[in-house]
Amino acid sequence: GQSLEQPSEVTAVEGAIVQINCTYQTSGFYGLSWYQQHDGGAPTFLSYNALDGLEETGRFSSFLSRSDSYGYLLLQELQMKDSASYFCAVGGRDDKIIFGKGTRLHILP
Amino acid sequence: DSGVTQTPKHLITATGQRVTLRCSPRSGDLSVYWYQQSLDQGLQFLIQYYNGEERAKGNILERFSAQQFPDLHSELNLSSLELGDSALYFCASSVDSSESYEQYFGPGTRLTVT
Repeated sequence: GQSLEQPSEVTAVEGAIVQINCTYQTSGFYGLSWYQQHDGGAPTFLSYNALDGLEETGRFSSFLSRSDSYGYLLLQELQMKDSASYFCAVGGRDDKIIFGKGTRLHILP
Repeated sequence: DSGVTQTPKHLITATGQRVTLRCSPRSGDLSVYWYQQSLDQGLQFLIQYYNGEERAKGNILERFSAQQFPDLHSELNLSSLELGDSALYFCASSVDSSESYEQYFGPGTRLTVT
């Protein structure tokens, strides 16, 4: 089967750096995606890692280690608008996309 | 604005009823996905269509069905509704099934079953 584990909540201070981890178990792994969802809004795509290593997009970076079945999303220079839920998602051989339960990021001023 | 549209935005109905949710994907996208999100829950994948054909199935109940039409819009039909079906239903689209890792979500339809 497929499963993902990510922390339910993370708290950080404005201007700081925060890392949201995701471990997965899946068959036929294709890659790891990250989505952001503000309260009452729709998920929006942030990043995708198919290969090991770090992908950087502005203040956000995403990392993947296929051998460890592990990835993380790194948010730098945190802003209040980054308060949201963050979901990791994996795709597998059967074309199904499985989303984690999400990590709610709280940012303190 | 993701370019994915969903109607209606809100829907209130009674148990036992049937409803249809509609989705129009981004221009050029061939794949459509349906998700259910309950309060404080993650996104539960229901079903995927690619260019009119069912491509992948998740935890979709037998009371639920979907289809994708030749113009690529999609409908999700929910029947014999139960209180537990109250949730936010999202439609998403991607260019094709090989790029399912990058999906664009519509604003969602909030279904309330009373």
